Amino acid sequence: DGGITQSPKYLFRKEGQNVTLSCEQNLNHDAMYWYRQDPGQGLRLIYYSQIVNDFQKGDIAEGYSVSREKKESFPLTVTSAQKNPTAFYLCASTSLAGSTDTQYFGPGTRLTVL
Amino acid sequence: GEDVEQSLFLSVREGDSSVINCTYTDSSSTYLYWYKQEPGAGLQLLTYIFSNMDMKQDQRLTVLLNKKDKHLSLRIADTQTGDSAIYFCAERNTGGFKTIFGAGTRLFVKA
Repeated sequence: DGGITQSPKYLFRKEGQNVTLSCEQNLNHDAMYWYRQDPGQGLRLIYYSQIVNDFQKGDIAEGYSVSREKKESFPLTVTSAQKNPTAFYLCASTSLAGSTDTQYFGPGTRLTVL
Repeated sequence: GEDVEQSLFLSVREGDSSVINCTYTDSSSTYLYWYKQEPGAGLQLLTYIFSNMDMKQDQRLTVLLNKKDKHLSLRIADTQTGDSAIYFCAERNTGGFKTIFGAGTRLFVKA
Protein backbone atom coordinates (compact mmCIF):
# COMPACT_ATOMS: atom_id res chain seq x y z
CA ASP A 1 0.00 0.00 0.00
CA GLY A 2 1.31 3.44 -0.89
CA GLY A 3 1.03 6.20 1.61
CA ILE A 4 2.56 8.45 4.20
CA THR A 5 3.43 7.22 7.66
CA GLN A 6 4.21 9.31 10.71
CA SER A 7 5.58 8.09 13.99
CA PRO A 8 5.04 8.11 16.81
CA LYS A 9 1.30 8.83 16.99
CA TYR A 10 1.70 10.38 20.46
CA LEU A 11 4.87 11.96 21.84
CA PHE A 12 5.57 13.48 25.22
CA ARG A 13 8.47 15.80 25.79
CA LYS A 14 9.95 17.36 28.86
CA GLU A 15 10.83 21.01 28.67
CA GLY A 16 14.34 21.55 27.36
CA GLN A 17 14.42 18.35 25.29
CA ASN A 18 14.72 18.03 21.54
CA VAL A 19 12.43 15.48 19.90
CA THR A 20 12.30 14.18 16.34
CA LEU A 21 9.10 13.32 14.49
CA SER A 22 9.35 10.82 11.66
CA CYS A 23 7.67 11.13 8.26
CA GLU A 24 8.11 8.53 5.51
CA GLN A 25 6.37 8.24 2.14
CA ASN A 26 6.48 5.53 -0.51
CA LEU A 27 4.52 7.49 -3.11
CA ASN A 28 7.66 8.60 -4.95
CA HIS A 29 6.61 12.18 -4.31
CA ASP A 30 9.10 14.97 -4.84
CA ALA A 31 7.93 17.51 -2.30
CA MET A 32 7.30 17.06 1.39
CA TYR A 33 5.85 19.41 3.97
CA TRP A 34 5.48 19.81 7.73
CA TYR A 35 2.48 21.61 9.21
CA ARG A 36 1.47 22.47 12.72
CA GLN A 37 -2.19 22.43 13.71
CA ASP A 38 -3.55 24.15 16.82
CA PRO A 39 -7.20 23.98 17.94
CA GLY A 40 -9.42 26.36 15.98
CA GLN A 41 -6.63 27.30 13.61
CA GLY A 42 -5.74 26.24 10.13
CA LEU A 43 -2.57 24.48 9.17
CA ARG A 44 0.58 26.53 9.47
CA LEU A 45 3.56 25.62 7.33
CA ILE A 46 6.78 24.90 9.24
CA TYR A 47 9.18 23.68 6.54
CA TYR A 48 8.97 22.23 3.06
CA SER A 49 11.32 20.45 0.70
CA GLN A 50 11.02 20.16 -3.06
CA ILE A 51 14.07 17.99 -3.62
CA VAL A 52 16.58 15.90 -1.70
CA ASN A 53 19.16 17.88 0.27
CA ASP A 54 17.17 21.10 -0.06
CA PHE A 55 14.46 22.63 2.10
CA GLN A 56 12.91 26.03 2.78
CA LYS A 57 11.45 27.69 5.85
CA GLY A 58 7.72 28.06 6.03
CA ASP A 59 5.77 30.60 8.04
CA ILE A 60 6.68 29.35 11.53
CA ALA A 61 10.12 27.72 11.23
CA GLU A 62 11.64 29.15 14.42
CA GLY A 63 12.44 26.42 16.93
CA TYR A 64 12.24 23.64 14.34
CA SER A 65 14.75 21.93 12.06
CA VAL A 66 14.47 19.39 9.24
CA SER A 67 16.61 17.29 6.94
CA ARG A 68 15.96 15.66 3.57
CA GLU A 69 18.70 13.12 3.01
CA LYS A 70 16.40 10.69 1.19
CA LYS A 71 13.45 11.30 -1.10
CA GLU A 72 11.24 9.12 1.11
CA SER A 73 12.01 10.72 4.44
CA PHE A 74 11.56 14.20 5.95
CA PRO A 75 12.07 14.15 9.73
CA LEU A 76 11.19 17.18 11.85
CA THR A 77 13.09 18.05 15.02
CA VAL A 78 11.33 20.18 17.60
CA THR A 79 14.09 21.90 19.52
CA SER A 80 14.11 23.36 23.01
CA ALA A 81 14.02 26.78 21.36
CA GLN A 82 10.38 26.20 20.38
CA LYS A 83 8.56 27.79 23.31
CA ASN A 84 5.10 26.36 22.77
CA PRO A 85 5.50 23.03 20.96
CA THR A 86 2.34 21.29 22.16
CA ALA A 87 0.34 20.75 18.96
CA PHE A 88 -0.71 18.26 16.31
CA TYR A 89 1.94 17.88 13.60
CA LEU A 90 1.05 16.83 10.08
CA CYS A 91 3.37 15.72 7.31
CA ALA A 92 2.30 15.89 3.66
CA SER A 93 3.76 15.13 0.27
CA THR A 94 2.97 15.91 -3.33
CA SER A 95 4.19 14.92 -6.76
CA LEU A 96 5.44 18.00 -8.59
CA ALA A 97 4.89 16.17 -11.86
CA GLY A 98 1.20 15.74 -11.19
CA SER A 99 -1.57 17.81 -12.74
CA THR A 100 -3.32 18.80 -9.54
CA ASP A 101 -0.44 19.26 -7.07
CA THR A 102 -2.64 17.63 -4.47
CA GLN A 103 -1.09 17.18 -1.06
CA TYR A 104 -1.49 13.83 0.64
CA PHE A 105 -1.30 13.77 4.42
CA GLY A 106 0.00 11.39 7.04
CA PRO A 107 -2.04 10.49 10.14
CA GLY A 108 -0.28 13.05 12.34
CA THR A 109 1.74 13.10 15.56
CA ARG A 110 0.38 14.71 18.69
CA LEU A 111 3.18 16.27 20.73
CA THR A 112 2.62 17.22 24.34
CA VAL A 113 5.11 19.04 26.51
CA LEU A 114 5.01 17.97 30.13
CA GLY B 1 -1.08 38.32 1.18
CA GLU B 2 -2.86 35.10 0.45
CA ASP B 3 -5.71 34.23 2.80
CA VAL B 4 -8.47 31.66 2.96
CA GLU B 5 -11.44 32.19 5.27
CA GLN B 6 -14.16 29.85 6.45
CA SER B 7 -16.83 29.94 9.11
CA LEU B 8 -15.83 27.82 12.10
CA PHE B 9 -18.99 25.81 12.80
CA LEU B 10 -21.98 24.36 10.98
CA SER B 11 -24.74 22.19 12.45
CA VAL B 12 -27.24 20.24 10.35
CA ARG B 13 -29.75 17.44 10.84
CA GLU B 14 -29.08 14.01 9.42
CA GLY B 15 -30.53 13.76 5.91
CA ASP B 16 -30.35 17.50 5.24
CA SER B 17 -27.85 19.12 2.89
CA SER B 18 -24.79 20.85 4.30
CA VAL B 19 -23.19 23.84 2.61
CA ILE B 20 -19.74 24.88 3.72
CA ASN B 21 -18.47 28.19 2.39
CA CYS B 22 -14.99 29.55 1.80
CA THR B 23 -13.53 32.79 0.46
CA TYR B 24 -10.02 33.31 -0.80
CA THR B 25 -8.02 36.36 -1.76
CA ASP B 26 -5.53 35.22 -4.39
CA SER B 27 -7.08 35.75 -7.82
CA SER B 28 -4.30 33.75 -9.45
CA SER B 29 -5.25 30.59 -7.57
CA THR B 30 -5.32 27.67 -9.95
CA TYR B 31 -6.34 24.76 -7.78
CA LEU B 32 -8.92 24.79 -5.02
CA TYR B 33 -9.36 21.84 -2.71
CA TRP B 34 -11.65 20.50 -0.02
CA TYR B 35 -10.15 18.26 2.65
CA LYS B 36 -11.87 16.35 5.47
CA GLN B 37 -10.29 15.72 8.87
CA GLU B 38 -11.75 13.27 11.36
CA PRO B 39 -10.74 13.49 15.04
CA GLY B 40 -7.08 12.68 15.66
CA ALA B 41 -6.39 11.95 11.99
CA GLY B 42 -4.68 13.54 9.04
CA LEU B 43 -6.41 15.40 6.23
CA GLN B 44 -8.14 13.40 3.52
CA LEU B 45 -8.65 14.96 0.09
CA LEU B 46 -12.34 15.03 -0.76
CA THR B 47 -12.33 16.83 -4.06
CA TYR B 48 -10.68 19.62 -6.00
CA ILE B 49 -11.65 22.03 -8.74
CA PHE B 50 -9.64 23.88 -11.32
CA SER B 51 -10.12 27.63 -11.45
CA ASN B 52 -11.44 27.43 -15.01
CA MET B 53 -14.43 25.39 -13.82
CA ASP B 54 -17.64 26.63 -12.21
CA MET B 55 -18.92 23.38 -10.75
CA LYS B 56 -17.85 19.86 -10.04
CA GLN B 57 -20.02 17.01 -8.79
CA ASP B 58 -18.79 13.81 -7.24
CA GLN B 59 -21.48 11.54 -5.79
CA ARG B 60 -22.91 13.42 -2.75
CA LEU B 61 -20.44 16.27 -3.09
CA THR B 62 -20.97 19.39 -5.21
CA VAL B 63 -18.34 22.11 -5.44
CA LEU B 64 -19.33 25.55 -6.72
CA LEU B 65 -16.77 28.19 -7.65
CA ASN B 66 -17.57 31.88 -8.13
CA LYS B 67 -14.33 33.34 -9.44
CA LYS B 68 -15.64 36.89 -9.53
CA ASP B 69 -16.41 36.86 -5.81
CA LYS B 70 -13.54 34.44 -4.99
CA HIS B 71 -16.07 32.19 -3.26
CA LEU B 72 -15.96 28.42 -3.06
CA SER B 73 -18.61 26.17 -1.53
CA LEU B 74 -18.95 22.48 -0.75
CA ARG B 75 -22.42 20.97 -0.65
CA ILE B 76 -22.90 17.57 0.94
CA ALA B 77 -26.23 16.01 0.01
CA ASP B 78 -28.07 13.70 2.43
CA THR B 79 -25.64 14.44 5.27
CA GLN B 80 -24.89 11.47 7.51
CA THR B 81 -23.48 11.27 11.03
CA GLY B 82 -20.27 9.92 9.49
CA ASP B 83 -19.83 13.27 7.75
CA SER B 84 -19.17 14.93 11.12
CA ALA B 85 -15.62 16.25 10.81
CA ILE B 86 -13.61 19.39 10.11
CA TYR B 87 -13.62 20.50 6.48
CA PHE B 88 -10.72 22.55 5.15
CA CYS B 89 -10.75 24.73 2.08
CA ALA B 90 -7.35 25.26 0.42
CA GLU B 91 -5.90 27.02 -2.58
CA ARG B 92 -2.70 26.83 -4.57
CA ASN B 93 -1.10 28.70 -7.46
CA THR B 94 0.33 27.20 -10.60
CA GLY B 95 4.00 26.56 -9.99
CA GLY B 96 3.67 27.53 -6.35
CA PHE B 97 4.96 25.22 -3.71
CA LYS B 98 2.69 26.33 -0.94
CA THR B 99 -0.92 25.41 -0.35
CA ILE B 100 -2.86 27.90 1.75
CA PHE B 101 -5.43 26.37 4.11
CA GLY B 102 -8.42 27.91 5.81
CA ALA B 103 -8.98 27.42 9.54
CA GLY B 104 -11.51 24.65 8.90
CA THR B 105 -15.27 24.37 9.41
CA ARG B 106 -16.41 21.91 12.05
CA LEU B 107 -19.55 20.14 10.82
CA PHE B 108 -21.90 18.69 13.46
CA VAL B 109 -24.55 16.27 12.22
CA LYS B 110 -27.49 15.73 14.57
CA ALA B 111 -29.33 12.43 14.39
